Amino acid sequence: DTAVSQTPKYLVTQMGNDKSIKCEQNLGHDTMYWYKQDSKKFLKIMFSYNNKELIINETVPNRFSPKSPDKAHLNLHINSLELGDSAVYFCASSPRGQGGHEQYFGPGTRLTVT
Amino acid sequence: GENVEQHPSTLSVQEGDSAVIKCTYSDSASNYFPWYKQELGKRPQLIIDIRSNVGEKKDQRIAVTLNKTAKHFSLHITETQPEDSAVYFCAASMLPGGSYIPTFGRGTSLIVHP
Repeated sequence: DTAVSQTPKYLVTQMGNDKSIKCEQNLGHDTMYWYKQDSKKFLKIMFSYNNKELIINETVPNRFSPKSPDKAHLNLHINSLELGDSAVYFCASSPRGQGGHEQYFGPGTRLTVT
Repeated sequence: GENVEQHPSTLSVQEGDSAVIKCTYSDSASNYFPWYKQELGKRPQLIIDIRSNVGEKKDQRIAVTLNKTAKHFSLHITETQPEDSAVYFCAASMLPGGSYIPTFGRGTSLIVHP
């Protein structure tokens, strides 16, 4: 009964390729997020999304795009991968509109671009 | 936008000592302040949070204090144990009513020596 799940756990690919990471949450939350964690452990939010609005961190290259087929899923598509995209990507969800904004994180996807 | 500063970046203590991690924020509209613990190779998980109408909150060996006037909040861990070793992140955000994107500090690596 995993709350937030991501696939794949590891992803190794070459520069220039296009890849996707999938995320699913079974918590019934309204809002989902994508974070990038670099080698220095800095957690940088990339996107915040619910069924009404997408909030994009303006520093995120437009090669990155979130796709949400439904409320429980938020996938991350990355085009033309670059070496600097290597990082751990975390999906998260939160019960926006309710008592707090605790983030429930997925297990992470370690992306390595060679 | 919000800016969160976190100090120290690394904290080394002996088992049984106390540890204090401090964060400052810039946006006076922020009113929700969670702390996350990330063990090596795992996802960040909420350990304690505080809202702006509360000055202090405790949960067993951990406590968080908030000074809204000075715009800073701190995490206190007493009687540290080796299993407390992890990276700790503070964050600041707004509860419903505002455009919400959580801002994380850069993290503190806590090392507890047996």
